[in-house]
Amino acid sequence: NAGVTQTPKFQVLKTGQSMTLQCAQDMNHEYMSWYRQDPGMGLRLIHYSVGAGITDQGEVPNGYNVSRSTTEDFPLRLLSAAPSQTSVYFCASSTDRYQPQHFGDGTRLSIL
Amino acid sequence: GIQVEQSPPDLILQEGANSTLRCNFSDSVNNLQWFHQNPWGQLINLFYIPSGTKQNGRLSATTVATERYSLLYISSSQTTDSGVYFCAVPNTGGFKTIFGAGTRLFVKA
Repeated sequence: NAGVTQTPKFQVLKTGQSMTLQCAQDMNHEYMSWYRQDPGMGLRLIHYSVGAGITDQGEVPNGYNVSRSTTEDFPLRLLSAAPSQTSVYFCASSTDRYQPQHFGDGTRLSIL
Repeated sequence: GIQVEQSPPDLILQEGANSTLRCNFSDSVNNLQWFHQNPWGQLINLFYIPSGTKQNGRLSATTVATERYSLLYISSSQTTDSGVYFCAVPNTGGFKTIFGAGTRLFVKA
């Protein structure tokens, strides 16, 4: 049972490049979400999904796109990377919004 | 939206000491989670505790929902307890989870 798997673990991009961060879970969880964590801060919600085909914005959605075509996968896309998007990104899943969230190990993204 | 405040922001303990971390929230909630972020950056679920008290080894947590706070107790601290402790609650309406800024704990050997 792998839980929540994020790939890649590390990535360096140049300003303006595009990239997709992958997130997959094998627990048949309906609720999935993406967070970013900046130094000295807690996690801030970027986007979330309550099931396949349904997504919505969190606190800091600008510059990011998501889609949810399957229950298992919830990729996060940066269309034109900016230095302000340098951060650690976490994906999480749970059976529903009231149940405990399970986190992946994170992706450390640097944008030069 | 709901506000989450954690205290203290930083804490240094000698190995073996006990500590209490606090999480205050500004609105009623129907769930609350405590996480430990270890020095490698991994987020570990500690407790899911919308109300009442739970214990897991040296750690325990109490949430008093009517008074809008939760406490995390660490007894006989160990160096491996070092890291950042977060509490998280759903916002009003429940689809978004709001994290506190965390308590950074360092346990000295």
